[in-house]
Amino acid sequence: QKEVEQDPGPLSVPEGAIVSLNCTYSNSAFQYFMWYRQYSRKGPELLMYTYSSGNKEDGRFTAQVDKSSKYISLFIRDSQPSDSATYLCAIGGSARQLTFGSGTQLTVLP
Amino acid sequence: DAGITQSPRHKVTETGTPVTLRCHQTENHRYMYWYRQDPGHGLRLIHYSYGVKDTDKGEVSDGYSVSRSKTEDFLLTLESATSSQTSVYFCAISEPLGRDANYGYTFGSGTRLTVV
Repeated sequence: QKEVEQDPGPLSVPEGAIVSLNCTYSNSAFQYFMWYRQYSRKGPELLMYTYSSGNKEDGRFTAQVDKSSKYISLFIRDSQPSDSATYLCAIGGSARQLTFGSGTQLTVLP
Repeated sequence: DAGITQSPRHKVTETGTPVTLRCHQTENHRYMYWYRQDPGHGLRLIHYSYGVKDTDKGEVSDGYSVSRSKTEDFLLTLESATSSQTSVYFCAISEPLGRDANYGYTFGSGTRLTVV
């Protein structure tokens, strides 16, 4: 079993839809949770981070962590074509030792 | 924001030849990482460094070596390139995120390596 599992998709939604991206993890000691966005042929860039259970909101993006279920989610409201990218979760026991999910490829159709 | 430069951006090499990829940062961050990214596998850690001459292996280190003789440079060497090492290689640094003392990774633009 991989330490971090992520549904690879691909996921295709119409513009304006709510998108839900998810990861599960196996190590209960993990306490750092991050989401990275990667546009085609670019390096990943940090989108959101949290180190506690619950929700964290930033504009149209909400990161949710459920430590009891070892499950994290990223929600995108009012999705835009510019949100089309690969989204990677990154989880670890230390912020300097992260394990990445395999990424979910998202396409938002105009 | 850390300045991270990877070189070369693209390289085609022959099986059996040694290849060195370079990662250069401008802000003296202590932690640096080398990842490879392949379809279906996401980002996999090859090696990382936590200071000058201090390095450690990641999950896919076989066939790779690294060196860090200066804070700003982290070199990845494929000792004898194989076709299975065809991949996109990303360098990353760990830098502070802000006032809450957390750290996040900043990635370079990647090196696209093809071994023929």
